[in-house]
Amino acid sequence: DVVLTQSPLSLAVPLGQPASISCRSGQSLVHSDGHTHLSWFQQRPGQSPRRLMCRVSNRDSGVPDRFSGSGSGTDFTLKISRVEAEDVGFYFCMQGTHWPYTFGQGTKLEIK
Amino acid sequence: QVQLVQSGAEVKKPGASVKVSCKASGCTFTDCRIDWVRQAPGQGLEWMGWINPYTGVAYYAQKFQDRVTMTSDTSITAAYMELSGLDSDDTATYFCARDHWGTFEDWGQGTLVTVSS
Repeated sequence: DVVLTQSPLSLAVPLGQPASISCRSGQSLVHSDGHTHLSWFQQRPGQSPRRLMCRVSNRDSGVPDRFSGSGSGTDFTLKISRVEAEDVGFYFCMQGTHWPYTFGQGTKLEIK
Repeated sequence: QVQLVQSGAEVKKPGASVKVSCKASGCTFTDCRIDWVRQAPGQGLEWMGWINPYTGVAYYAQKFQDRVTMTSDTSITAAYMELSGLDSDDTATYFCARDHWGTFEDWGQGTLVTVSS
């Protein structure tokens, strides 16, 4: 199985400051179809996960543009340019390139 | 807009089975593969497998292959996940999610399954 390693596992950021979460894969996530199936999800307390980003950097409808995704191959990053109170929760990366699909351990974001 | 609505919370004894439903609306034949993912309390996400509700074809993660059965009812576009031989490690929230080209576009609200004697 493809191991996704997220770092850090927890993050405390002052309001208005940037945050960055890394997701590293044990193998390349480039699919034979040419796409890289790496997604990011946000899970607020008590809620279902919500997709923020697919194919590394394609932001979902309704996701604020302070969220951005980047990376290629095995190294990926989710950035929040200015953290807001509503951003508190867990953030997961997920790969859909190789079977079985796998997730990162999750990163807990809190406000400092 | 696709909506996934799951059945309610369950409490089961060790050794029992549980069957969770996920009713999909807004899906079409070609884009409604349903995956099942679980999340133990305070833990990360674990993928269990998928089913195409229209064809009934299913694929399971190796870890669950002996204990999970995913089925569907095409008349109501519902998917079901049955997990047998429950133990305390199976206490988790079980989510269904719509699988679209290697990503989960929509999620159900989750079903908490508690295994306790």
